[in-house]
Amino acid sequence: DTEVTQTPKHLVMGMTNKKSLKCEQHMGHRAMYWYKQKAKKPPELMFVYSYEKLSINESVPSRFSPECPNSSLLNLHLHALQPEDSALYLCASSEGQGKYGYTFGSGTRLTVV
Amino acid sequence: AQSVTQLDSHVSVSEGTPVLLRCNYSSSYSPSLFWYVQHPNKGLQLLLKYTSAATLVKGINGFEAEFKKSETSFHLTKPSAHMSDAAEYFCVVRPLNTGNQFYFGTGTSLTVIP
Repeated sequence: DTEVTQTPKHLVMGMTNKKSLKCEQHMGHRAMYWYKQKAKKPPELMFVYSYEKLSINESVPSRFSPECPNSSLLNLHLHALQPEDSALYLCASSEGQGKYGYTFGSGTRLTVV
Repeated sequence: AQSVTQLDSHVSVSEGTPVLLRCNYSSSYSPSLFWYVQHPNKGLQLLLKYTSAATLVKGINGFEAEFKKSETSFHLTKPSAHMSDAAEYFCVVRPLNTGNQFYFGTGTSLTVIP
């Protein structure tokens, strides 16, 4: 299995809702990442987990809360989001520290209304 | 300091003609370099990677790139463009010894004209 699977593919949520994005990989990768991508822009790093521990948090607002329950799963919990948080959220994983590149999922298209 | 510069934000080629997407990087240490492709509303797919082995790297779908240390460049080429190559392309640098940090270029949008 050489894929990163993200669910759901699309999500529309209100500003008072709580929702979660899920990411799963079975490649044995021990680093997992959340990225946010706005239209026509490169992805922006949000969080990095290495061996299930949060190693990088790029000053992301607390309305985004990551969780890594085990080495194969990565969640992103969303609460009280703003319309400007609408974007494509990408999960990725890598062997070690990513010397050989990341494997990306196909993303969750989030719309906040 | 690390940075990646993709010299063209848009490139337009006719089907069957060569593709050249340019990327220059600055890095304090020997980097790993990557090209990713993103089709509309999709995730990023790895096209090819340079990790300090051969300087001419072959990737998927007929793409290749050459690492030129003296020019700090890693340009992406393909001899003959196909309609399915129309997409956004990102050059990515991972400097040595920076942990999990990748640095993305701003992207080049490739249009292929029939």
